[in-house]
Amino acid sequence: EAQVTQNPRYLITVTGKKLTVTCSQNMNHEYMSWYRQDPGLGLRQIYYSMNVEVTDKGDVPEGYKVSRKEKRNFPLILESPSPNQTSLYFCASSTKGQAVVTGELFFGEGSRLTVL
Amino acid sequence: SQQGEEDPQALSIQEGENATMNCSYKTSINNLQWYRQNSGRGLVHLILIRSNEREKHSGRLRVTLDTSKKSSSLLITASRAADTASYFCATRHNQGGKLIFGQGTELSVKP
Repeated sequence: EAQVTQNPRYLITVTGKKLTVTCSQNMNHEYMSWYRQDPGLGLRQIYYSMNVEVTDKGDVPEGYKVSRKEKRNFPLILESPSPNQTSLYFCASSTKGQAVVTGELFFGEGSRLTVL
Repeated sequence: SQQGEEDPQALSIQEGENATMNCSYKTSINNLQWYRQNSGRGLVHLILIRSNEREKHSGRLRVTLDTSKKSSSLLITASRAADTASYFCATRHNQGGKLIFGQGTELSVKP
């Protein structure tokens, strides 16, 4: 089954404790992206990647890092989480053609992160 | 901000009724897309309408686009309880550009 898989789905952590949210897709998609969803603010893009070893900042990259060493994986790293990073995070992917032509995205199920 | 705005923020209807949600945006678009999000789940792409299209259908979904008013509407006909979800419009303002999501309309369909 074609899917975007995120882990963990739920996480409660404390300020400053480094964490990684993994994202993996099995559709051979070139384009991958991370969003955060907050009440009243909708979805905002954190980082995106057009292909392996190619990453770029989205609208709200501060406090986050990403890497794209393999085509299928795009982990989101919070080096020193803070309470304002408490949010619902989504990974999304698409083919390069979709990314360029339409922008249509396939989303993972989300990871709810709470930073105390 | 280019972010789309959905209206209403919340909508409650009875099963069998039609549901209409609206989306307005500020700058010209390349295309506009609608996504559905069931509670606690990821977003699912429903339908895409290009800037040179005025109306599009997919099953019980009908999307219209009025570029002169910078607005779109999503109509769900003969709604079902399973249509209960949040619906987001997402605009793309140039080819190769990112999608910009609105804040969503929360639809509740009562059996």
